[in-house]
Amino acid sequence: DAGVTQSPTHLIKTRGQHVTLRCSPISGHKSVSWYQQVLGQGPQFIFQYYEKEERGRGNFPDRFSARQFPNYSSELNVNALLLGDSALYLCASSSPGGETQYFGPGTRLLVL
Amino acid sequence: QKEVEQNSGPLSVPEGAIASLNCTYSDRGSQSFFWYRQYSGKSPELIMFIYSNGDKEDGRFTAQLNKASQYVSLLIRDSQPSDSATYLCAVLGGATNKLIFGTGTLLAVQP
Repeated sequence: DAGVTQSPTHLIKTRGQHVTLRCSPISGHKSVSWYQQVLGQGPQFIFQYYEKEERGRGNFPDRFSARQFPNYSSELNVNALLLGDSALYLCASSSPGGETQYFGPGTRLLVL
Repeated sequence: QKEVEQNSGPLSVPEGAIASLNCTYSDRGSQSFFWYRQYSGKSPELIMFIYSNGDKEDGRFTAQLNKASQYVSLLIRDSQPSDSATYLCAVLGGATNKLIFGTGTLLAVQP
């Protein structure tokens, strides 16, 4: 079975631009979570979606938004990019009622 | 106080030795604990999860949980150079089921 997939794998943007990152969960998983990992730190929680509804939001500015589609895939949008948004963006999926989260390969974003 | 704390390392052990990785957490109500392995430039990979006090073994890996002391550890027996990676401790927090991570411990297994 395919694991969590994310696209693109790498992205270079300039300050002020907008970016959309995409994630497809493991088949049968209905919950998707997004995390940001900057170099040398553990992943930080951004959003969690379950059945297309937002279940939780981390301590990130309103420039960050997300949504989940009927097929349970998800998008993370970041507006007005700052240099500090440069990071590895991770998507994780979990099964209904399950607590274990499985991560995709991530999207590495570089903001210049 | 950070919610999840780990020694950043690096922890250096010789090949074949036991590597011991430690983690403490601040929320006494936490119920679920996870260890992820992350190779440089890659995403975290689930190694172990543990919910109950005591030990849980899976192959060369043993997770240990002591809720009274708010302490969780990971033991890696017969360490191999391929085990060299950053090990992330994570605690499931709050109603959102978000994972709260430590900063990770870098393990280096010397051939």
